[in-house]
Amino acid sequence: DAGVTQSPTHLIKTRGQHVTLRCSPISGHKSVSWYQQVLGQGPQFIFQYYEKEERGRGNFPDRFSARQFPNYSSELNVNALLLGDSALYLCASSLADPNYDQPQHFGDGTRLSIL
Amino acid sequence: AQSVAQPEDQVNVAEGNPLTVKCTYSVSGNPYLFWYVQYPNRGLQFLLKYITGDNLVKGSYGFEAEFNKSQTSFHLKKPSALVSDSALYFCAVRPRNSGGYQKVTFGTGTKLQVIP
Repeated sequence: DAGVTQSPTHLIKTRGQHVTLRCSPISGHKSVSWYQQVLGQGPQFIFQYYEKEERGRGNFPDRFSARQFPNYSSELNVNALLLGDSALYLCASSLADPNYDQPQHFGDGTRLSIL
Repeated sequence: AQSVAQPEDQVNVAEGNPLTVKCTYSVSGNPYLFWYVQYPNRGLQFLLKYITGDNLVKGSYGFEAEFNKSQTSFHLKKPSALVSDSALYFCAVRPRNSGGYQKVTFGTGTKLQVIP
């Protein structure tokens, strides 16, 4: 079975631009989470979606938004890019309701560089 | 607020020796605890989790972790290190009642270097 897939793998943008990152969860997984991992740090929670509804939001500005589609794939959008948005963006999927003790399965991420 | 501390940025161990990667946490109530491993330019891979029961949890690739409630620790261990174990290791915590979503908090990571 295919794992979590993310696209693109690398992206270079300039300040002020907009970016859309995409994620396809493992087949059958209904929960998708997004994380930002700055170099040298652990992943920071951005959003979680379950059954196409936002279930959680981390401490990120409104420039960050996301959505989940009927096929459970997801997009992360970031507007008005700043240099500080340069990071590895990770998508993770899990099988069931987020209240349960399910481990998350991560994609290999999108490396976003802001010039 | 919940938090995770990994006090060592890097751990060096000789191949064949036992290894320990330390993790302490702070969370209200009883936690779910996880260890993940990250290889260069890759996402995180799940190693093991503590939910309840036996304090010694066994996971993938020969790793295990010991939950100590009184010390609020969840140290990762392996009896005999392999060079291929060299990677970045993350400890993560989630409270049992997370208000309806999976609010997972990760530590800052520990780089494990296994020396041949």
